[in-house]
Amino acid sequence: KNQVEQSPQSLIILEGKNCTLQCNYTVSPFSNLRWYKQDTGRGPVSLTIMTFSENTKSNGRYTATLDADTKQSSLHITASQLSDSASYICVVSDRGSTLGRLYFGRGTQLTVWP
Amino acid sequence: EADIYQTPRYLVIGTGKKITLECSQTMGHDKMYWYQQDPGMELHLIHYSYGVNSTEKGDLSSESTVSRIRTEHFPLTLESARPSHTSQYLCASSRGGQSTDTQYFGPGTRLTVL
Repeated sequence: KNQVEQSPQSLIILEGKNCTLQCNYTVSPFSNLRWYKQDTGRGPVSLTIMTFSENTKSNGRYTATLDADTKQSSLHITASQLSDSASYICVVSDRGSTLGRLYFGRGTQLTVWP
Repeated sequence: EADIYQTPRYLVIGTGKKITLECSQTMGHDKMYWYQQDPGMELHLIHYSYGVNSTEKGDLSSESTVSRIRTEHFPLTLESARPSHTSQYLCASSRGGQSTDTQYFGPGTRLTVL
């Protein structure tokens, strides 16, 4: 069964600290993995996308890694800010074509305290 | 910021009412999608469209219907709302239909059926 599991479910950190969010998937075949940020009451916004051949991708203070062999991905946030408080969603696709289906994780709810 | 809009943002209605959730995008995207998201849960695709007069059901069965008469407009209708329809509804669009194409999300409509 194709699944995307994220951990932890929720996380609280202090402003300025770093954190790492995890995503494990069983989706096969694998096409790409994307991390989204969803602020409360808003729609998700894409942060990074990685295909099979990519093992790291950065977007400012966000760095995503991918290990396609172990089917794991992580999202590292450096020097957290209050505005980083949001849900971070891992999304895996099984094909790169129009037939590709997206599998969504339930997200990690990150809270950054001052 | 994506140019995709949803109205209303919040809606509280009684059982049995007919409702239409509006979604419009000004990016000229051919592909549009409707997702349903409950708190703390993953997004589920309920409808999608690859262009004018093209609509398909998604992975999650839904009693709602959609139409695509204009490229920029993709409304979702519930003929008779029930408490089980209480959820957040997110509209999205993408330039292409491949899984590597970024989907841009609207802010969502939070629907409560009493």
